[in-house]
Amino acid sequence: QKEVEQDPGPLSVPEGAIVSLNCTYSNSAFQYFMWYRQYSRKGPELLMYTYSSGNKEDGRFTAQVDKSSKYISLFIRDSQPSDSATYLCAMRSPGGFKTIFGAGTRLFVKA
Amino acid sequence: DADVTQTPRNRITKTGKRIMLECSQTKGHDRMYWYRQDPGLGLRLIYYSFDVKDINKGEISDGYSVSRQAQAKFSLSLESAIPNQTALYFCATSGSEGRESTDTQYFGPGTRLTVL
Repeated sequence: QKEVEQDPGPLSVPEGAIVSLNCTYSNSAFQYFMWYRQYSRKGPELLMYTYSSGNKEDGRFTAQVDKSSKYISLFIRDSQPSDSATYLCAMRSPGGFKTIFGAGTRLFVKA
Repeated sequence: DADVTQTPRNRITKTGKRIMLECSQTKGHDRMYWYRQDPGLGLRLIYYSFDVKDINKGEISDGYSVSRQAQAKFSLSLESAIPNQTALYFCATSGSEGRESTDTQYFGPGTRLTVL
């Protein structure tokens, strides 16, 4: 079993839709949870991070962590064609020195 | 100019050839990483280095070697390339910052390697 599981998609939605991207994980020691966005032919870049449980909002993006279920989510409101990219979840434990990445979910937002 | 650069951006080579991928960064970070990305498998860590004298194997280091020539330079070598090393390779950096951190990683643009 992989430490981090993420549905690769692709996920196709119309412009303006609310998008939900999710990951599950098995290591209860993870405390730092990140979402990276990767555009085609580019390297991933950090979009959001959350420490421990709870929600974090940044503009149209909301990151949510449920440690009891070992489940994290990224919500995108009012999705735009420019949001079309691959979204990778990532996580690590305190004092850990390796970040574990999910496989990434490809998102297409149609105009 | 980009903070993390990789050369070459694309490379086609033949089985058995030795190839080197290079990474340079201007972010002043201590930590550097090499990953490969394959469809459905995500990013897998090949090697990482926390400073010039510190080199560590990642989860898939077999068939690869690295050299940390300076704080800003970290190269990845395939001693004898094989077709299943065809992948997208990324270099990344992060700063230790002297305290607990998210270890935010900054990625280069990637090298697309094809081994025939």
